[in-house]
Amino acid sequence: DAKTTQPTSMDCAEGRAANLPCNHSTISGNEYVYWYRQIHSQGPQYIIHGLKNNETNEMASLIITEDRKSSTLILPHATLRDTAVYYCIVRVNYGGSQGNLIFGKGTKLSVKP
Amino acid sequence: GAVVSQHPSWVICKSGTSVKIECRSLDFQATTMFWYRQFPKQSLMLMATSNEGSKATYEQGVEKDKFLINHASLTLSTLTVTSAHPEDSSFYICSARVGTSGFTGELFFGEGSRLTVL
Repeated sequence: DAKTTQPTSMDCAEGRAANLPCNHSTISGNEYVYWYRQIHSQGPQYIIHGLKNNETNEMASLIITEDRKSSTLILPHATLRDTAVYYCIVRVNYGGSQGNLIFGKGTKLSVKP
Repeated sequence: GAVVSQHPSWVICKSGTSVKIECRSLDFQATTMFWYRQFPKQSLMLMATSNEGSKATYEQGVEKDKFLINHASLTLSTLTVTSAHPEDSSFYICSARVGTSGFTGELFFGEGSRLTVL
């Protein structure tokens, strides 16, 4: 079973920041938080990942709470093309089959004009 | 990011026939690839882990004789759906991990292959 909890759906106005929350209260010390998104009928796309510190890249920012029990993915200026299902996944980072991704239901983000 | 390509993107076949789906890592070597299946309006479900040069590891409930996986090289894994039936109609997605061992980093996914069995 997925080890994360996300809201089923969210709406966001185009041009505004989209803040997607994720709860992972049972996260282990060696587990990273990963975010992927899936646009309809496409394969998942990697967005960002982190362990303890906040992370930022060209796509998004990841804010992880100090106790690591929750995190927030921030899309700073959402566009219509950001409409997708966003998956928050916790996973260890080492070789072998344990490094696979277990997907939950994700959050369906709808960006509206 | 790294590129993973799947072929075909979509395929329609008759019930009872076999279908092969290819997954290639285009600009990196992948000792491990993963195969997922996604039914409409559902999340991705891991089917099996494909390891180069050895047998695949199947998740519970996935028939290894029905879903044949071959990972013959560091850049190619194939999934063959044997004797396909309408209930096998689904979106099949592969992913590959950058790196050969140790720290693995992020997984990259193919575009997916939509199988429709008539």
